Amino acid sequence: DADVTQTPRNRITKTGKRIMLECSQTKGHDRMYWYRQDPGLGLRLIYYSFDVKDINKGEISDGYSVSRQAQAKFSLSLESAIPNQTALYFCATSDSQRTGGMETQYFGPGTRLLVL
Amino acid sequence: SQQGEEDPQALSIQEGENATMNCSYKTSINNLQWYRQNSGRGLVHLILIRSNEREKHSGRLRVTLDTSKKSSSLLITASRAADTASYFCATVTGTASKLTFGTGTRLQVTL
Repeated sequence: DADVTQTPRNRITKTGKRIMLECSQTKGHDRMYWYRQDPGLGLRLIYYSFDVKDINKGEISDGYSVSRQAQAKFSLSLESAIPNQTALYFCATSDSQRTGGMETQYFGPGTRLLVL
Repeated sequence: SQQGEEDPQALSIQEGENATMNCSYKTSINNLQWYRQNSGRGLVHLILIRSNEREKHSGRLRVTLDTSKKSSSLLITASRAADTASYFCATVTGTASKLTFGTGTRLQVTL
């Protein structure tokens, strides 16, 4: 979805380096999410944010941190990258106006990260 | 841990045939959603079915939900080569709007 952009699209880094993945959206949604996808697996939730002041850990937050700089921007950081963080990372957004958990999520194109 | 498990893991059919993929989940849900992912790209939402619904249609898609068996199926009728993709079910529990994804079914539609 072109309304959700991720930078960079591809990144190669070395073990121990700090790296930041960025997500921006023009959909005006208040909720944003970071997922990782490993080959043959579904997506797993790393962190999510329901608004600028609300950040929550997901299923696999260890080794990651996030920053919600504005409603439209949500960044994911790997403080000290390790090889098993090699994966495809997706940002997603949703609109809380769809109440009762009936929201659907809109995904960015993904960032392919390789940690050597 | 994944909430949903999908079956089969991979499916290969010819154009024009129907494709059925199944999803099983573990806990009570608010709704279940199906997403599609073209190779290495972002997921796209296909359809949402609420826990009090049993069947839903959208174009060539038909989704069923059996909450007693904690399972759902996605049927794609008259498949096309462009339907080649991975398909994921995702569940929402409560009203928290977090999705928990299954492991996906890779569908290959050949001419």
